[in-house]
Amino acid sequence: DQQVKQNSPSLSVQEGRISILNCDYTNSMFDYFLWYKKYPAEGPTFLISISSIKDKNEDGRFTVFLNKSAKHLSLHIVPSQPGDSAVYFCAASESLGTSYGKLTFGQGTILTVHP
Amino acid sequence: DGGITQSPKYLFRKEGQNVTLSCEQNLNHDAMYWYRQDPGQGLRLIYYSQIVNDFQKGDIAEGYSVSREKKESFPLTVTSAQKNPTAFYLCASSMAGGGSYEQYFGPGTRLTVT
Repeated sequence: DQQVKQNSPSLSVQEGRISILNCDYTNSMFDYFLWYKKYPAEGPTFLISISSIKDKNEDGRFTVFLNKSAKHLSLHIVPSQPGDSAVYFCAASESLGTSYGKLTFGQGTILTVHP
Repeated sequence: DGGITQSPKYLFRKEGQNVTLSCEQNLNHDAMYWYRQDPGQGLRLIYYSQIVNDFQKGDIAEGYSVSREKKESFPLTVTSAQKNPTAFYLCASSMAGGGSYEQYFGPGTRLTVT
């Protein structure tokens, strides 16, 4: 049962344009969401996060939007740069109970930014 | 220089042998985690530990074992009972408690079993 889904395996955009990566979740107990970036044969690096009490969080070129009613979040990268080419994972966590601190990851989306 | 180290980077083993993957952190984090990544899939949680001498099974714990005798170390043993051990293994740590759930990852170990 995939509780966090990234339905687009890949995304290709032109340098300077906007990249929009999407993520859906099914567990209504999730209340904290994160995006990670991963290069091949390396560990993921944290990009940006959002709590369920917010609907938007911005950090430089990266903005995450959360729509709780739709159980959907998205990551916007503006402007996109070739160095952004990587696999992007969304992850979710619930703050209560024995699952505290445990992250559930989506399958990842491969972003390619063309010069 | 704080961080998480995993060794070795690449590991090769024969089928039927147990193998232990190392994970050390000097971030003073209480919680540590083990994930595996298979091609085209996300990260799946194997085991996690919120405190020394305590750990819980994740989503795919069968065929794996862990120990947490020291705060800094969380070794993972892949036993011969694990049916598909070839994968990329990632260790992570985070501060337990509070509002931050950010996990910091090590560089990973690629295990190949033939």
